[in-house]
Amino acid sequence: NAGVTQTPKFRVLKTGQSMTLLCAQDMNHEYMYWYRQDPGMGLRLIHYSVGEGTTAKGEVPDGYNVSRLKKQNFLLGLESAAPSQTSVYFCASRNDYRTANDPSYEQYFGPGTRLTVT
Amino acid sequence: KNEVEQSPQNLTAQEGEFITINCSYSVGISALHWLQQHPGGGIVSLFMLSSGKKKHGRLIATINIQEKHSSLHITASHPRDSAVYICAVRSNSGYALNFGKGTSLLVTP
Repeated sequence: NAGVTQTPKFRVLKTGQSMTLLCAQDMNHEYMYWYRQDPGMGLRLIHYSVGEGTTAKGEVPDGYNVSRLKKQNFLLGLESAAPSQTSVYFCASRNDYRTANDPSYEQYFGPGTRLTVT
Repeated sequence: KNEVEQSPQNLTAQEGEFITINCSYSVGISALHWLQQHPGGGIVSLFMLSSGKKKHGRLIATINIQEKHSSLHITASHPRDSAVYICAVRSNSGYALNFGKGTSLLVTP
């Protein structure tokens, strides 16, 4: 079980360039999330998905797009990168749950992608 | 939005000390998570709880639903406990977690 993996681990982009971050999970989880982490701020939700073929906006969705064509993958795209998108990006996944104490309710995080936009 | 406040923001302790990190939140929740993040590292879940108390090794997490407050305790702290500890909550109607800004803990030998 690899858990949640993210590709790439590091990337430097120039302003205006585009890229796609890939998140993959092998736990058959329904829910997947993209967060960004910036100094002095808590993790903030960019987009999320509650199942294959579905996506929804989170707290800070502007400048990002996502797709969930396969259940195990959740892609985050930057069409035209801006310096304000310099951040560490974390993907996470979890299953649906019956009760809050159900172990399958646990949320698992990927190792993060450090993105710098110059 | 469910605001999550952690205190203190930064904490320095000597090895062996008992440590407490606090978390307060503003609306009803279905679960509260305590997470750990080492410098430059990924995020690991320590506890998920909706009531009462949980213990794992030297770590103890408690939650008071009525007071909307949780604490993370570390007994007999060790330098390897140095990390950022993050509180996160899932509201009753939410799909995702709302995160506190984290508490940066440094344990010195």
